[in-house]
Amino acid sequence: DAKTTQPPSMDCAEGRAANLPCNHSTISGNEYVYWYRQIHSQGPQYIIHGLKNNETNEMASLIITEDRKSSTLILPHATLRDTAVYYCIVRVNNDYKLSFGAGTTVTVRA
Amino acid sequence: ETGVTQSPTHLIKTRGQQVTLRCSSQSGHNTVSWYQQALGQGPQFIFQYYREEENGRGNFPPRFSGLQFPNYSSELNVNALELDDSALYLCASSPGTAFTDTQYFGPGTRLTVL
Repeated sequence: DAKTTQPPSMDCAEGRAANLPCNHSTISGNEYVYWYRQIHSQGPQYIIHGLKNNETNEMASLIITEDRKSSTLILPHATLRDTAVYYCIVRVNNDYKLSFGAGTTVTVRA
Repeated sequence: ETGVTQSPTHLIKTRGQQVTLRCSSQSGHNTVSWYQQALGQGPQFIFQYYREEENGRGNFPPRFSGLQFPNYSSELNVNALELDDSALYLCASSPGTAFTDTQYFGPGTRLTVL
């Protein structure tokens, strides 16, 4: 499995952009980067995914570097409700499962 | 369109008992995956069902078994419960089994084994 590395925790201020980094230096050409988040004791929530182009939806933006070895999830205007564990996952071809790491615990402070 | 639902929300069992957890897939989804999440850890893949057949399995013993029904709802059965089976059990549905098919999770069932 392509492995990901995320910082264990980060803080951000309410109303500011939150930039969550993820390293995936062993990613292969057709492997996708997925982001999920998990608010305390709830099921993981899908956020966004991408292959090589930058992606944006109503929740976040995903910026993938040109060499695809790292990516950044951007929450444009963080709110207290964005406090959660964020998981960066690389999905490999023919891999039917999601392999969760430890994720990044994001705390949004007022 | 309804999302993924799971029942029950919470469950308390004693060691050695058996338990059945249920999951209803999101409309239009034919694939269900089950995950176990111990406290403080990320979810771990148990198995996946596609069109009523097991499509893949993680590193879990045979006492963890599942079913998928023609309406694509699913059950997770655990026999001979052990204390370490205490966890949040999550199901996720997806429109297919491909790695490009996004999995959408339910709220989970919290199982406590005493």
